[in-house]
Amino acid sequence: QKEVEQDPGPLSVPEGAIVSLNCTYSNSAFQYFMWYRQYSRKGPELLMYTYSSGNKEDGRFTAQVDKSSKYISLFIRDSQPSDSATYLCAMSSQGAQKLVFGQGTRLTINP
Amino acid sequence: EAGVVQSPRYKIIEKKQPVAFWCNPISGHNTLYWYLQNLGQGPELLIRYENEEAVDDSQLPKDRFSAERLKGVDSTLKIQPAELGDSAVYLCASSPRRGWNEQFFGPGTRLTVL
Repeated sequence: QKEVEQDPGPLSVPEGAIVSLNCTYSNSAFQYFMWYRQYSRKGPELLMYTYSSGNKEDGRFTAQVDKSSKYISLFIRDSQPSDSATYLCAMSSQGAQKLVFGQGTRLTINP
Repeated sequence: EAGVVQSPRYKIIEKKQPVAFWCNPISGHNTLYWYLQNLGQGPELLIRYENEEAVDDSQLPKDRFSAERLKGVDSTLKIQPAELGDSAVYLCASSPRRGWNEQFFGPGTRLTVL
């Protein structure tokens, strides 16, 4: 079993929809949680960074962490075609400086 | 501020040939990472440098892979000899210093081994 599980999709939604992307993990030592966006043939771009449990909002994006359930989510409101990309969750434990990535979810927003 | 620079962007070689990838991190970033990303998968760490010291190379296949960061700035990752299974994207990332969890990635080098 992988330390971080992420549904690879693909996920296709109409423009303007609310998108929910999720990851589960098994390592209770993880404390830092990140979401990266990766466009085709590009490197991952840091989108959201959260520490421990709770919510963080940045524009149309909201990241949620539920450590008790070992479950993290990324919500995208008013989705745009430019949001079409692969979304990778990543996490690390205190002092490890090693990111463990999920498989990535491929998202397409249809105009 | 310039991002992480990698070259070449694409490389096609025949199996058993050597290949090298170059990375220049964001200016002032002391920590440098090399990752391997297979198609449809997330990146996997190969090696991490703190300045010029390799502090985590446990996932680097040392029989054929080597890396260096001689002056604590840019870095080179080498494969010799390359195998068919090495076809992947090789990503370089950097972060400001030890203990900093946010990592900033370059565009990657896409390697195809024929």
